[in-house]
Amino acid sequence: AQSVAQPEDQVNVAEGNPLTVKCTYSVSGNPYLFWYVQYPNRGLQFLLKYITGDNLVKGSYGFEAEFNKSQTSFHLKKPSALVSDSALYFCAVRRISSGSARQLTFGSGTQLTVLP
Amino acid sequence: ETGVTQTPRHLVMGMTNKKSLKCEQHLGHNAMYWYKQSAKKPLELMFVYSLEERVENNSVPSRFSPECPNSSHLFLHLHTLQPEDSALYLCASSQGLQGQPYEQYFGPGTRLTVT
Repeated sequence: AQSVAQPEDQVNVAEGNPLTVKCTYSVSGNPYLFWYVQYPNRGLQFLLKYITGDNLVKGSYGFEAEFNKSQTSFHLKKPSALVSDSALYFCAVRRISSGSARQLTFGSGTQLTVLP
Repeated sequence: ETGVTQTPRHLVMGMTNKKSLKCEQHLGHNAMYWYKQSAKKPLELMFVYSLEERVENNSVPSRFSPECPNSSHLFLHLHTLQPEDSALYLCASSQGLQGQPYEQYFGPGTRLTVT
């Protein structure tokens, strides 16, 4: 079984400040990890993914995420938040296995609000 | 969002109605998905199709019936729904080779309200 926890339903940050959206996962074996963003009345948009290698992954719109295997975490970060970053963020995990289906397990989402 | 389109964007239906949701992907992908998104809950994977064959069905009630006539189109047929089925239904696609970490591309969703 695999699961994802996003411990914060809501994160507020002032524009220009760094932001972090937390994600921890549980999976047997090594994971593929993803971050998606959802703007109001839109579908999810892919931001970045961790497959293997460098623990710091860079993605779209200046976002990055750090994979920490010992803490089973994959926190999303951005050095300087913009008001336009306000959206719902989802973390997702998939087990690496040649026999696995394409199933992603998503977290429940974190609403990020960047205050001007 | 033109990569994956969904129609209609909004749907209100009674419990005795029959309706269908349509999804089309223009990305050349060979895997397609239906998800249900309810407020404050993780996305629920409903169905997965790969090369037009259903490869996953996550214990979805039979009042939801998927159809994948080709690799570009996916339908979700609805009948005798319940009010708790009201949600945002999202379609997604991916290149979908088994075991590969391809990201999924989502449509804008259909907001379904069951009255």
